[in-house]
Amino acid sequence: NAGVMQNPRHLVRRRGQEARLRCSPMKGHSHVYWYRQLPEEGLKFMVYLQKENIIDESGMPKERFSAEFPKEGPSILRIQQVVRGDSAAYFCASSPLGSGNTEAFFGQGTRLTVV
Amino acid sequence: DQQVKQNSPSLSVQEGRISILNCDYTNSMFDYFLWYKKYPAEGPTFLISISSIKDKNEDGRFTVFLNKSAKHLSLHIVPSQPGDSAVYFCAASAGRGSGNTGKLIFGQGTTLQVKP
Repeated sequence: NAGVMQNPRHLVRRRGQEARLRCSPMKGHSHVYWYRQLPEEGLKFMVYLQKENIIDESGMPKERFSAEFPKEGPSILRIQQVVRGDSAAYFCASSPLGSGNTEAFFGQGTRLTVV
Repeated sequence: DQQVKQNSPSLSVQEGRISILNCDYTNSMFDYFLWYKKYPAEGPTFLISISSIKDKNEDGRFTVFLNKSAKHLSLHIVPSQPGDSAVYFCAASAGRGSGNTGKLIFGQGTTLQVKP
């Protein structure tokens, strides 16, 4: 029973390039959350998706960032024209369909470094 | 606006003693609280949770206490072990009712060091 899978684990991009981060939720989970952790800080909510729908993107920067969770395949967090301030650890979490209050299970994260 | 606060950046305890990690929150809509443990270069791992209808939840060496009137929760680890050394995050959620999306609001984390 595989957990939440994120890839790549490490990603280096030059300023102005695009970064694509992938997240495959746990089997049976159709709720995906993306969080970002800047150095020396806690995790900050970015976006919440269900299959083919963005439910809450209140934590996502208005420009350059987008997310999707297609019917087939992993959830993708896309950052266009990356800047040094985008360097952070990006974590994906999933939780079961139809659950009430329950824990979210996290992946190991993608560490993005912008040079 | 930091809705979940962990005011102690670090805590050091001796092996076998009790570790007490604290967390305060400001949003009265929060009704579910969780503690996560995180090692460097890994994702957070769920430890224990508590619903707002309870004031205590226990799981082995870990106990979480919730004081709603004070908007305060704490995690007790007893006895503490060197393997418990990690960063501990408190998180809160407003659940998935009434349009809430269940997103987690995290504190800044407390680094626990358990000395052998």
